[in-house]
Amino acid sequence: KNQVEQSPQSLIILEGKNCTLQCNYTVSPFSNLRWYKQDTGRGPVSLTIMTFSENTKSNGRYTATLDADTKQSSLHITASQLSDSASYICVVGFNTGGFKTIFGAGTRLFVKA
Amino acid sequence: DVKVTQSSRYLVKRTGEKVFLECVQDMDHENMFWYRQDPGLGLRLIYFSYDVKMKEKGDIPEGYSVSREKKERFSLILESASTNQTSMYLCASSLRGHRGDEQFFGPGTRLTVL
Repeated sequence: KNQVEQSPQSLIILEGKNCTLQCNYTVSPFSNLRWYKQDTGRGPVSLTIMTFSENTKSNGRYTATLDADTKQSSLHITASQLSDSASYICVVGFNTGGFKTIFGAGTRLFVKA
Repeated sequence: DVKVTQSSRYLVKRTGEKVFLECVQDMDHENMFWYRQDPGLGLRLIYFSYDVKMKEKGDIPEGYSVSREKKERFSLILESASTNQTSMYLCASSLRGHRGDEQFFGPGTRLTVL
């Protein structure tokens, strides 16, 4: 069964600290993986996208990694800011008689001052 | 900047009512999507459209229908609302096909069915 699982479900960190969010998937055949950020009361916004051949992608203080062999991805946030408080959603695309995407349930990050 | 707008941020309806959720995008995108988002679950695709008057069922189309009469507008219709349709509804659009292109999302409509 194609699934995307994210961990932890929620996380609280102090401003300035780093954190890493995890995404494990069982989707096949894999096409790409995106990380989205969803602020409270808003729609998700794309942070990074990686295809099979890419194992890292950065967007400012956000760095995503992909291990296609173990089917794991992580999103590392460096020097967190209060504005990083949001949900982070992992989305995996795959091709099976047409392209489809599966959204993870997200990790809710709270950054405290 | 791409802008996707949804007609209402909050909506309260009664069981059995017909509900219309409207979505408009201003970037001439080919593709538009309707999702619902529930706590503990990822976004689930209800319907998508890759052209005017064209539509495809997503993963959970039961109880919903859609309409795309103009390229910029995609409507989600609940013919007879039920309490299990209480949810956050998100509309999105993307430039090309349903192939992993970045989707741009609206702010969402939180629908409560009493």
